[in-house]
Amino acid sequence: EPEVTQTPSHQVTQMGQEVILRCVPISNHLYFYWYRQILGQKVEFLVSFYNNEISEKSEIFDDQFSVERPDGSNFTLKIRSTKLEDSAMYFCASDRGEEPQHFGDGTRLSIL
Amino acid sequence: GESVGLHLPTLSVQEGDNSIINCAYSNSASDYFIWYKQESGKGPQFIIDIRSNMDKRQGQRVTVLLNKTVKHLSLQIAATQPGDSAVYFCAENYNFNKFYFGSGTKLNVKP
Repeated sequence: EPEVTQTPSHQVTQMGQEVILRCVPISNHLYFYWYRQILGQKVEFLVSFYNNEISEKSEIFDDQFSVERPDGSNFTLKIRSTKLEDSAMYFCASDRGEEPQHFGDGTRLSIL
Repeated sequence: GESVGLHLPTLSVQEGDNSIINCAYSNSASDYFIWYKQESGKGPQFIIDIRSNMDKRQGQRVTVLLNKTVKHLSLQIAATQPGDSAVYFCAENYNFNKFYFGSGTKLNVKP
């Protein structure tokens, strides 16, 4: 069964550094998402992306965040200048529209 | 049951028993709901969904019930197995393709 894949599984970064989290959504999916889950808390929506542009974003997704689909397969989340509070699991998801989102297994981001 | 916030309620059941996990959702305009299962170190895994024009939907060993009057969603798991041990989240959708997750219920199945 096709699945969403995310790399790396664990990213350790110094505060203030830029980080890029990578995702390969399911190949025939059209909608792409990033979610965040701080340890022990709920999964929080960050951003949705469709037709090469952001369709929705949450208040968490401020100017420090950006997303990109640089080619036909990858979907990236960039955090420009990381803060301690950015430490979390970051999940990528995708779907074809009007159906459940399929999630990757996440990248654990640790900011030191 | 589940509630919005930082607490993670735990439901402990004996293997073979039925489990009921509850969720109070927040927005009366929500029209699509999903139950996800999250195992340790994994991403959320789709279990079952339901649209607001239905009040019950059944899958294999799982049933979702929707009560729009009180904004309540439940997940019933029949003959619970050790492999069902995980955190279960409900998610609601009222804004195209943007889902809001509850804080989850941990299901612990005792052999």
